[in-house]
Amino acid sequence: EAQVTQNPRYLITVTGKKLTVTCSQNMNHEYMSWYRQDPGLGLRQIYYSMNVEVTDKGDVPEGYKVSRKEKRNFPLILESPSPNQTSLYFCASSVTGARYGYTFGSGTRLTVV
Amino acid sequence: QKEVEQNSGPLSVPEGAIASLNCTYSDRGSQSFFWYRQYSGKSPELIMFIYSNGDKEDGRFTAQLNKASQYVSLLIRDSQPSDSATYLCAVNISPYNNNDMRFGAGTRLTVKP
Repeated sequence: EAQVTQNPRYLITVTGKKLTVTCSQNMNHEYMSWYRQDPGLGLRQIYYSMNVEVTDKGDVPEGYKVSRKEKRNFPLILESPSPNQTSLYFCASSVTGARYGYTFGSGTRLTVV
Repeated sequence: QKEVEQNSGPLSVPEGAIASLNCTYSDRGSQSFFWYRQYSGKSPELIMFIYSNGDKEDGRFTAQLNKASQYVSLLIRDSQPSDSATYLCAVNISPYNNNDMRFGAGTRLTVKP
């Protein structure tokens, strides 16, 4: 089954404790992206990647890091999480990028206390 | 002005009625337009995309695009309770950036039996 898999689904952590949210897709897509979703603000792009070793900032990259060492994986790293990073996070992938839409993962609900 | 604007709703329609969801966007150069459906606690699911002025129909769904007015809409005919969800409008804002997808905050639709 073609899918984007994120882990974990739920995560509660404390301020400053480094964490990684994993994302993997099995569709051989070149484009991958991370979004966060907050009430009233919609989905906002954090980082995106056009291919292996090619990444760039989205609208809200502060406090986040990404890497793309393999085509299928695109982890999101929070080096020192803060409460304002409490949000619902989605990983997405696409064969051609934004022009033809993204397939989203099931989401990770992160709470930073 | 937000780049992609939607009425937050909630929009409530009776079963069998036509639900009309609206979206405006700010950038005249925008090329691709999408409607995603998001059930509560789930990830966004692409249901329609449109690139050209006019209407595009897929089953009970019709997307309408008017580039001159910078307006895109989604009509759901014969609305069913299973259509109750939040509908996200998304726009590929820049024709030069294949990753520049901007989302509206979403309109919550409730279809009452």
